[in-house]
Amino acid sequence: ELKVEQNPLFLSMQEGKNYTIYCNYSTTSDRLYWYRQDPGKSLESLFVLLSNGAVKQEGRLMASLDTKARLSTLHITAAVHDLSATYFCAVEAYNTDKLIFGTGTRLQVFP
Amino acid sequence: GAGVSQSPRYKVAKRGQDVALRCDPISGHVSLFWYQQALGQGPEFLTYFQNEAQLDKSGLPSDRFFAERPEGSVSTLKIQRTQQEDSAVYLCASSQAGGVGSYEQYFGPGTRLTVT
Repeated sequence: ELKVEQNPLFLSMQEGKNYTIYCNYSTTSDRLYWYRQDPGKSLESLFVLLSNGAVKQEGRLMASLDTKARLSTLHITAAVHDLSATYFCAVEAYNTDKLIFGTGTRLQVFP
Repeated sequence: GAGVSQSPRYKVAKRGQDVALRCDPISGHVSLFWYQQALGQGPEFLTYFQNEAQLDKSGLPSDRFFAERPEGSVSTLKIQRTQQEDSAVYLCASSQAGGVGSYEQYFGPGTRLTVT
């Protein structure tokens, strides 16, 4: 059974600092997604990572995928308050289309 | 174009009532998914359709939950005899094509169900 774990679960960071969120998954998959969720809102797609070694960047966020290690990272550079939200990774279960989500990382950026 | 829409956005039901939640996917999207998100948790898969065929319903928590997509577009998730543990946000997502490991899922705004 595919399991997806994120850490940390909660992250409080100062503006301007850098940090990394980790996403580990337990079985084979070649597709991993990162989503952002603001309180009371739905999921906003951030990145789709489709192959080993994939790296994508958008603004202050950069995501990477290592399928051999079954690990994805979401790196935050020079955090700003607008990045405060909950971030989920989701892995496409092998041989299906369904997504298995991590527990989420609640990010709070303070001045 | 229009994204995935869901209705109602909020629903309060008394324990034991039946509820029906509607999802309108992005036009032309073949695949449709339902997820349940409890407070403070990540979404959990409920069921999946490719056109009108329900290909996977392994995530439905009990036989009180039933989903349909009779014409391959709009889908309805029905919960019979609601219980307090059914309180959650129900998210619908659609994707462009069917088949294993195909396309990105786009999520609707969700229906927040509260069972009192």
